[in-house]
Amino acid sequence: DAGITQSPRHKVTETGTPVTLRCHQTENHRYMYWYRQDPGHGLRLIHYSYGVKDTDKGEVSDGYSVSRSKTEDFLLTLESATSSQTSVYFCATRDPAAKNIQYFGAGTRLSVL
Amino acid sequence: AQSVTQPDIHITVSEGASLELRCNYSYGATPYLFWYVQSPGQGLQLLLKYFSGDTLVQGIKGFEAEFKRSQSSFNLRKPSVHWSDAAEYFCAVGLQTGANNLFFGTGTRLTVIP
Repeated sequence: DAGITQSPRHKVTETGTPVTLRCHQTENHRYMYWYRQDPGHGLRLIHYSYGVKDTDKGEVSDGYSVSRSKTEDFLLTLESATSSQTSVYFCATRDPAAKNIQYFGAGTRLSVL
Repeated sequence: AQSVTQPDIHITVSEGASLELRCNYSYGATPYLFWYVQSPGQGLQLLLKYFSGDTLVQGIKGFEAEFKRSQSSFNLRKPSVHWSDAAEYFCAVGLQTGANNLFFGTGTRLTVIP
């Protein structure tokens, strides 16, 4: 357990509104990731970070942005939420010393109406 | 491009029966391989991993998996399933380069009947 806290755990919002999801870790892991989980797709990578202010796109990055101003926090922002972004969002962290093992938070369930 | 296939969307087994969940991957080199388990409403928990060496790896909760390079497979097994094993299981491939991103299969939902 890498001490990962996601907030909020549940959110309902309306189409067109901005939404920010927060991931906080206590293990000082260098790498952090945002995934979305949808039925029939498993988990797909949205964005990841390899250090403070260092981020890159994943497989499904359109419509999302991220920021990492501190090692412990990784924010995912939906600038203008759409119904297709209704999903469960997971944050993960990785310690390079532990090879490729990623540790996951409990998830945020987002509904865009 | 890398991909992970879990051909079984849903499997139902009786408590005490053996279990095998299939996973095939496509990747140009030997990847890191993982099985994660997700209980309802929870995050993903690592069951086991393969990086190199012995192709039969042991994990938590009595699970094991075998890496077969010739078949590009990494199947998960358990000799005797318990009711608490009911969950969704994800196979994942990890790249050995760059940010070591993970690519997940679509998951297999396991139902355990008494």
